[in-house]
Amino acid sequence: GQQVMQIPQYQHVQEGEDFTTYCNSSTTLSNIQWYKQRPGGHPVFLIQLVKSGEVKKQKRLTFQFGEAKKNSSLHITATQTTDVGTYFCAGQGAQKLVFGQGTRLTINP
Amino acid sequence: GAGVSQSPSNKVTEKGKDVELRCDPISGHTALYWYRQSLGQGLEFLIYFQGNSAPDKSGLPSDRFSAERTGGSVSTLTIQRTQQEDSAVYLCASSLQGLEGHEQYFGPGTRLTVT
Repeated sequence: GQQVMQIPQYQHVQEGEDFTTYCNSSTTLSNIQWYKQRPGGHPVFLIQLVKSGEVKKQKRLTFQFGEAKKNSSLHITATQTTDVGTYFCAGQGAQKLVFGQGTRLTINP
Repeated sequence: GAGVSQSPSNKVTEKGKDVELRCDPISGHTALYWYRQSLGQGLEFLIYFQGNSAPDKSGLPSDRFSAERTGGSVSTLTIQRTQQEDSAVYLCASSLQGLEGHEQYFGPGTRLTVT
């Protein structure tokens, strides 16, 4: 069945450093979504990418969808302590949305 | 409007007992998902309801787990003869459609502790 792999599993950075998490699907996706889960909270939708090669920005966050629609990345520029949390990608396949295992971001202030 | 609600927020039960977890999705959302999240881990898919279609039960870890969705709205996840490894946060999410790429709205979860 469809699998979505996300790396790295953990990332620790100094405040102000950049951060990137990568997502790879075993099958071509119709779209990909990104979610953020703050410590102790529940996942919250950030963005959805639909088009091949699409790039979207939200302030310091840049989201990319690969040309083959099988991979995606989230890049955070100049991290802040408010960026702490776990970032999940979720790939929409033929049957359902499949979540990656998430990348847990911790930040040294 | 109201978001996804789940009850109870916390549940402590003894090993071997049955538990029922409830999810109230956002009104009008036809898709409903259950996930399990162990401490510090990712989201483990359990079951997916889409409208009146047969649910996708492919993620249920054993036959002790079952779920139903009555009237296309409220859903109940039942765990029979609970085991300590069932301890986790159980998250419910709903979306407008299951296959159209609509975002999922998550409830606050039910933290289950099996002693």
